[in-house]
Amino acid sequence: AQRVTQPEKLLSVFKGAPVELKCNYSYSGSPELFWYVQYSRQRLQLLLRHISRESIKGFTADLNKGETSFHLKKPFAQEEDSAMYYCALRGGAQKLVFGQGTRLTINP
Amino acid sequence: DGGITQSPKYLFRKEGQNVTLSCEQNLNHDAMYWYRQDPGQGLRLIYYSQIVNDFQKGDIAEGYSVSREKKESFPLTVTSAQKNPTAFYLCASSKGQGNHNEQFFGPGTRLTVL
Repeated sequence: AQRVTQPEKLLSVFKGAPVELKCNYSYSGSPELFWYVQYSRQRLQLLLRHISRESIKGFTADLNKGETSFHLKKPFAQEEDSAMYYCALRGGAQKLVFGQGTRLTINP
Repeated sequence: DGGITQSPKYLFRKEGQNVTLSCEQNLNHDAMYWYRQDPGQGLRLIYYSQIVNDFQKGDIAEGYSVSREKKESFPLTVTSAQKNPTAFYLCASSKGQGNHNEQFFGPGTRLTVL
């Protein structure tokens, strides 16, 4: 079975502090992992995918197959990072399985 | 933004009534999807379609129906059999072929059952 777990529903950090949003997955094959973000009053959009191995808006995420994790990190949080973040897994076909989401709030 | 449109933005329905949510895309994408978004539960897949005239049930298909008669359109009907239909519904599309295809999302429809 495919499952994505985001253990934190809410995460609050101060501006300039490091931020890490946790994501763990369960999948027997070779997964494709994504982070999607939904800013206030905007559509859900792709933030980054593990295949690209790139940094988007200062965020990075490394796929750790041993720990079955795909945590999202940013060294210095900014106020505009406040949003809802979803981790997602694609294990087969074109279906995505989403985690429950983490609402990130950056305090000034 | 643009490319995927959903209408209406807000929808109210009386108990016992069926209601159809519209989703249109002009991205020439083969695959389309319907998700339901509830607080604390993330997005759950209702139905998806990888090609015209074909669709598959997702994880929570009971009480819903879809059609895919045109590539651009993937309407979702919420039937009276859906026990808890009040939710935010998101439509998405992707190229649908090969790997690593990004899903693009519409703005959503908020359905409230009165």
